[in-house]
Amino acid sequence: GAVVSQHPSWVICKSGTSVKIECRSLDFQATTMFWYRQFPKQSLMLMATSNEGSKATYEQGVEKDKFLINHASLTLSTLTVTSAHPEDSSFYICSAKAVATEAFFGQGTRLTVV
Amino acid sequence: KQEVTQIPAALSVPEGENLVLNCSFTDSAIYNLQWFRQDPGKGLTSLLLIQSSQREQTSGRLNASLDKSSGRSTLYIAASQPGDSATYLCAVLDDKIIFGKGTRLHILP
Repeated sequence: GAVVSQHPSWVICKSGTSVKIECRSLDFQATTMFWYRQFPKQSLMLMATSNEGSKATYEQGVEKDKFLINHASLTLSTLTVTSAHPEDSSFYICSAKAVATEAFFGQGTRLTVV
Repeated sequence: KQEVTQIPAALSVPEGENLVLNCSFTDSAIYNLQWFRQDPGKGLTSLLLIQSSQREQTSGRLNASLDKSSGRSTLYIAASQPGDSATYLCAVLDDKIIFGKGTRLHILP
């Protein structure tokens, strides 16, 4: 199957700083990318959907100014957690798909804000 | 709004038993349905993908069925093994991918 690379796999940052997570489709062009977060022992919650070249669509309750999503190319989307706080500590997973194909998932990024 | 429900939330069975995990969704207008497993603290491993036009998919000891009209899917695991212990997630794709809360499976040696 297709490969989605997510980087970094884990990151620790200080409260108040910003963290960028990258999601790359390595062998296909991802027209749509999804970003999820997962709290311990809970399921994945969709944060936003982004289509290449357009603004991301955020789910209700997700602060778009805090979670900046950029999908500037067909192989790269980034999620920036701005002014991170301990409550932002979570597991973030991206997913990428091309038109009329299944979605492929990155291995996730564990963010710890101290 | 699409909602995905998985039952049971947790399941413990002795090794060797066959078991069924259930997934239901509220909007039948889906493109496909996918089953994943997730080990603690890890990412997702795709198990089976069923396109909306298909009824079932099989891979090894796993069989997934899809009944779009009733909004249901099942994941059947045959001859369970301790290594099958994980959380199993069901996800449907319409214009976005929506996950259920998962079933935590524990296979007792």
